[in-house]
Amino acid sequence: DAGVTQSPTHLIKTRGQHVTLRCSPISGHKSVSWYQQVLGQGPQFIFQYYEKEERGRGNFPDRFSARQFPNYSSELNVNALLLGDSALYLCASSSRSGAEGYTFGSGTRLTVV
Amino acid sequence: RKEVEQDPGPFNVPEGATVAFNCTYSNSASQSFFWYRQDCRKEPKLLMSVYSSGNEDGRFTAQLNRASQYISLLIRDSKLSDSATYLCAVGSGTGKLIFGQGTTLQVKP
Repeated sequence: DAGVTQSPTHLIKTRGQHVTLRCSPISGHKSVSWYQQVLGQGPQFIFQYYEKEERGRGNFPDRFSARQFPNYSSELNVNALLLGDSALYLCASSSRSGAEGYTFGSGTRLTVV
Repeated sequence: RKEVEQDPGPFNVPEGATVAFNCTYSNSASQSFFWYRQDCRKEPKLLMSVYSSGNEDGRFTAQLNRASQYISLLIRDSKLSDSATYLCAVGSGTGKLIFGQGTTLQVKP
């Protein structure tokens, strides 16, 4: 069984550019969440989507947006990249309640130069 | 005050030692509690869910104290392979997980 898959694994972008990160959840999971993790910190919640609707948004600027597709895969978009956006971006999938925990993909490591 | 707080450590312990981590949370309405393990430059992996009754998985024991709003993780008979960062995570039932900073454990021979 495939776990949560993310692409790309690594990315280098220039300030001001935009980036699209992709995630496919575990088969049967309809909830996808996105997290940003900077070095030395725990993951910070960005978005949650369930059944293609946004169900939660963290304290991130409007440059960050996301969507979920009918097959439950998801994209995270970041516009006007800043140096501070350099981080590991993690996608997590879960069943509806998430009570049994969330499974993370291996992440996309974004470097903004 | 952070919503979820952990002592970042590092905790340096010899093989075979017992080590305990605590994590405090501020939202009394929190509904779900987890411990994740994260190896360097890898994704967090779910170690255990934490229940009010406490739960054990081999050498690992997790407990939740709702009255004092903290969760704990006990590792017995530490192995070299236990060296990692341990993240506590708290959910409010809305799908959002709030993570602590993580506690670094280094088990030495």
